[in-house]
Amino acid sequence: DAEITQSPRHKITETGRQVTLACHQTWNHNNMFWYRQDLGHGLRLIHYSYGVQDTNKGEVSDGYSVSRSNTEDLPLTLESAASSQTSVYFCASSRDLLNEQFFGPGTRLTVL
Amino acid sequence: DAKTTQPNSMESNEEEPVHLPCNHSTISGTDYIHWYRQLPSQGPEYVIHGLTSNVNNRMASLAIAEDRKSSTLILHRATLRDAAVYYCILREESSGAGSYQLTFGKGTKLSVIP
Repeated sequence: DAEITQSPRHKITETGRQVTLACHQTWNHNNMFWYRQDLGHGLRLIHYSYGVQDTNKGEVSDGYSVSRSNTEDLPLTLESAASSQTSVYFCASSRDLLNEQFFGPGTRLTVL
Repeated sequence: DAKTTQPNSMESNEEEPVHLPCNHSTISGTDYIHWYRQLPSQGPEYVIHGLTSNVNNRMASLAIAEDRKSSTLILHRATLRDAAVYYCILREESSGAGSYQLTFGKGTKLSVIP
């Protein structure tokens, strides 16, 4: 069955290190999204992509970057991790913009 | 600012119907109303969406007010598995042609009492 996966599921890192979170979907969806979820804030959009080589900034993009070299993957990179980036990160994809988004299981990131 | 307003929490008895309200007084004519839910320790999952007419699917029903300034998600018989945070979301067009984002608010935490 088609699915969306994230790795790692848990990550502990130190302030200042570069971290990359992986997101892989097998639906061949053009649209992919990264969100973060913190207590009291719901989910907030970090970056999104509408296709290969396309990336766009979301509401809370500072300190994050993405690249889309193929349809299946949208890795999220924290260039220099900060304690404020401790959060749960969710990746999502959708077939088209009118349809539902399918979410991955999440990555819990702790920055010490 | 959030575009939708939902109660922070609600309770329901198991096997009773649940009506989850959402106010969206600033909705524009092309905004779709989406509902997602998030079970504990999981990613959000799609429930239903609509534009003007009421909608039904296997999970729930969506009742949309005639002026579209509010909507109600209806779970016909709540089960323990329905305990989750429910998000009412307007799919809006952001700056830039053809882009549609989902903005999640804080949602309504539904507790189901056995």
